[in-house]
Amino acid sequence: GAVVSQHPSRVICKSGTSVKIECRSLDFQATTMFWYRQFPKQSLMLMATSNEGSKATYEQGVEKDKFLINHASLTLSTLTVTSAHPEDSSFYICSAPPVGREASDTQYFGPGTRLTVL
Amino acid sequence: DAKTTQPTSMDCAEGRAANLPCNHSTISGNEYVYWYRQIHSQGPQYIIHGLKNNETNEMASLIITEDRKSSTLILPHATLRDTAVYYCIVKGTGNNRKLIWGLGTSLAVNP
Repeated sequence: GAVVSQHPSRVICKSGTSVKIECRSLDFQATTMFWYRQFPKQSLMLMATSNEGSKATYEQGVEKDKFLINHASLTLSTLTVTSAHPEDSSFYICSAPPVGREASDTQYFGPGTRLTVL
Repeated sequence: DAKTTQPTSMDCAEGRAANLPCNHSTISGNEYVYWYRQIHSQGPQYIIHGLKNNETNEMASLIITEDRKSSTLILPHATLRDTAVYYCIVKGTGNNRKLIWGLGTSLAVNP
């Protein structure tokens, strides 16, 4: 159990276009999901916290108008990179802690989405 | 949340136990120690977590010192598939559920 999927796994787009990445919890519900970005040979950097039914919370330095987050249901959060540029090329990962397991805070991660902007 | 310190890299022979240390000297009483790992180009994978008692599951054992200022993750019989970056994260419970990631330990399991 506790499987998180991401789609697509890999995307290549032209500069200036928008890209949507989906994060789904397949066998559990999650009121909160987290979005991370990881550049080569670096650690994960938290971008934002996605909250079901309310606005996302963005980390300092992350542009909310550029990285649009929608948490439409208890099993789906989407990240849209708007007007993507080559510097947005990165590995994007989502995670979700299952509802009801707040005490342990164990999180389950998606497999990641490799975004390449040409 | 408390900061952790881990060695940058470690090597281990296949079949041997891999012991990965983590220092968290500023840990507070309600903070847990979590271990995750990330195999190259994949999302992180939860391994184990603990508060003050030693823990064991099907993947690993977690040994936490009595003063809780350090811990060791033990992979009892490392395989080539255990080659990954291992992250030790200290975090309290509550509404702020963010994980702060350091650089971790890059473990290479050699044949």
